[in-house]
Amino acid sequence: QQQVKQSPQSLIVQKGGISIINCAYENTAFDYFPWYQQFPGKGPALLIAIRPDVSEKKEGRFTISFNKSAKQFSLHIMDSQPGDSATYFCAASPENTDKLIFGTGTRLQVFP
Amino acid sequence: DGGITQSPKYLFRKEGQNVTLSCEQNLNHDAMYWYRQDPGQGLRLIYYSQIVNDFQKGDIAEGYSVSREKKESFPLTVTSAQKNPTAFYLCASSIVRYSNQPQHFGDGTRLSIL
Repeated sequence: QQQVKQSPQSLIVQKGGISIINCAYENTAFDYFPWYQQFPGKGPALLIAIRPDVSEKKEGRFTISFNKSAKQFSLHIMDSQPGDSATYFCAASPENTDKLIFGTGTRLQVFP
Repeated sequence: DGGITQSPKYLFRKEGQNVTLSCEQNLNHDAMYWYRQDPGQGLRLIYYSQIVNDFQKGDIAEGYSVSREKKESFPLTVTSAQKNPTAFYLCASSIVRYSNQPQHFGDGTRLSIL
């Protein structure tokens, strides 16, 4: 079964620090890699996404780094804020499908 | 405001009972999805539909059923055959198939066993 492995399971960061969440995949036929942010009791919301033809994408404090040869991608949150405290999911979409395969999530806590 | 509305927010099921979760979207999206979320397991796909009157099983369809009679609506029935239904259920939609458009999620229904 296609899988996306996400780590760490939980992460504690001080305000102003950098949060880094990593994901790895095995299937090379993925062509879309979104990250979702979920607050308690809410549905996930799209944060940022990347396609495999670029190695990095930045939107504000959020950056995706993509390493196609290593089949890894990561989310970096710069200047982490308490309001960033949430669960983050990486996902990957198999080519020519509209399905998403999700990682198991990372619970981020940012302390002031 | 456009979005996805899931109801009810909380639902309780008795043994042997079927329950139906509602999902309505006014985004004019073609595709709709149902996911189940359990702690530590991420989101797992139950069913998806790319067009009215058509739907496909996802990875964990056993014990669930769906219908897609209208573009805006994609209700999920949790049948008595689903022996472990306690979970957070999420509905999502996206604009066009095969185009890598993002999926937009509702705020979920939490189902518990009485």
